[in-house]
Amino acid sequence: KNQVEQSPQSLIILEGKNCTLQCNYTVSPFSNLRWYKQDTGRGPVSLTIMTFSENTKSNGRYTATLDADTKQSSLHITASQLSDSASYICVVTDRGSTLGRLYFGRGTQLTVWP
Amino acid sequence: EADIYQTPRYLVIGTGKKITLECSQTMGHDKMYWYQQDPGMELHLIHYSYGVNSTEKGDLSSESTVSRIRTEHFPLTLESARPSHTSQYLCASSPPGSAGPDTQYFGPGTRLTVL
Repeated sequence: KNQVEQSPQSLIILEGKNCTLQCNYTVSPFSNLRWYKQDTGRGPVSLTIMTFSENTKSNGRYTATLDADTKQSSLHITASQLSDSASYICVVTDRGSTLGRLYFGRGTQLTVWP
Repeated sequence: EADIYQTPRYLVIGTGKKITLECSQTMGHDKMYWYQQDPGMELHLIHYSYGVNSTEKGDLSSESTVSRIRTEHFPLTLESARPSHTSQYLCASSPPGSAGPDTQYFGPGTRLTVL
């Protein structure tokens, strides 16, 4: 069964600290993995996308890694800011169908305190 | 930020009412999607469309219906709202030539509460 599991479910950190969010997936055949940021009451916004051959991708203070062998990804946030408080969603796309189906994780709720 | 709009942003309505959630995009995207998301849960695809006059049901069974008469417009309708329909509804679109739904732009969502 294709699944995407994220951990931790929620995380609280102090402003300026770093943190790492985890994503494990069983989706096969794999096409790509994307991290989204979803602010409360808003739609998700894409942060990074990685294909099978990529193992790291950065977007400002966000750095995503991918290990396609172990089917694990992480999102590292450096020098956190209050505006980083949001839900971070891991989304994996398969390539086994015409639709290229998306599998969504439940997200990690990050709260940054001053 | 993507040019995809949803109205209303919030809706509180009584049981049995008919409602239509609007979604429109000005990017010329051919593919459009509707997702349902409960608090703390993953997004579930309920409808999608590959273009005008094309609509398909998604993975999660839904009593809602959709239509795609114009490229830019993908409304979702509930004929008779029930409390079980209380959720957040997210609309998304993908540009022509994209390999599939992996390049999706999301609207801000409609938070629906049925009393």
